Amino acid sequence: AQTVTQSQPEMSVQEAETVTLSCTYDTSESNYYLFWYKQPPSRQMILVIRQEAYKQQNATENRFSVNFQKAAKSFSLKISDSQLGDTAMYFCASNSGGSNYKLTFGKGTLLTVNP
Amino acid sequence: DAGVIQSPRHEVTEMGQEVTLRCKPISGHNSLFWYRQTMMRGLELLIYFNNNVPIDDSGMPEDRFSAKMPNASFSTLKIQPSEPRDSAVYFCASSLGQGARETQYFGPGTRLLVL
Repeated sequence: AQTVTQSQPEMSVQEAETVTLSCTYDTSESNYYLFWYKQPPSRQMILVIRQEAYKQQNATENRFSVNFQKAAKSFSLKISDSQLGDTAMYFCASNSGGSNYKLTFGKGTLLTVNP
Repeated sequence: DAGVIQSPRHEVTEMGQEVTLRCKPISGHNSLFWYRQTMMRGLELLIYFNNNVPIDDSGMPEDRFSAKMPNASFSTLKIQPSEPRDSAVYFCASSLGQGARETQYFGPGTRLLVL
C-alpha cells in the first residue's frame, strides 16, 4: 500500500520569503504521479502542482516549484515570494500509476504567511 | 469554464434523517470521485465512477451510504439514515479520463453536520 508522509504539521513564513514543505512517500511502482493540493480556509481543494515520476525535470508553476528526489522518495514544495493568500493547508498526494486512479493523501501541513 | 459544482455547501441535519449531496462534474470529464474529509481520517476516497458506472465503491463505509450517477453531468451521494459520525466535509472531484495520469479537480465541498 502507498503511504504519504508530511512531517511538518504546521509552518509559518514571513511575507515575501521562501518556504519549503516536506513530503515523503512510499511506493513499489516505477511510474506514478505526485501532487500538491492547497486547501485555504474556504475548504476548496486546489491543485498547486503535479509531477510525473518518470520525468527528471522538477515541475514549476509560477512561484511554486518542487524538488523531486526519486531515489529518496521525496517530493518537497517550495513557495517563493510568499503571499498572504498562500495561507492554507497543503496536502501532498500520490497515486501508483497505470490504471490506478486512487490518490493517497498525506495528513497536511498548515502554512501561515505572516505580514 | 466552470469547475466542479457541489450543493449544498453546508448541511445541518438531525440524526436519522436522509441527506443527499449533489455534484456536477466538469463538462467533458468522464471520471467522478466522492471523497470524505475528517480530522481523524483525513481524505478518504468513497467511490469512483467512470463513464457513469461505479468502478470502485470499496471506500463506502456502510450500507447507509449510496451513490448514483444517472448521467455524465450529475451524481448524488446519499446517507440514510444519517448519524453524528457522518459529520465531515464531502468532496466531489472529476478528471478528464481514467487512470493515474489524469489530474483530479475538486469541488468546493459540502460541510455536513449531523446532530
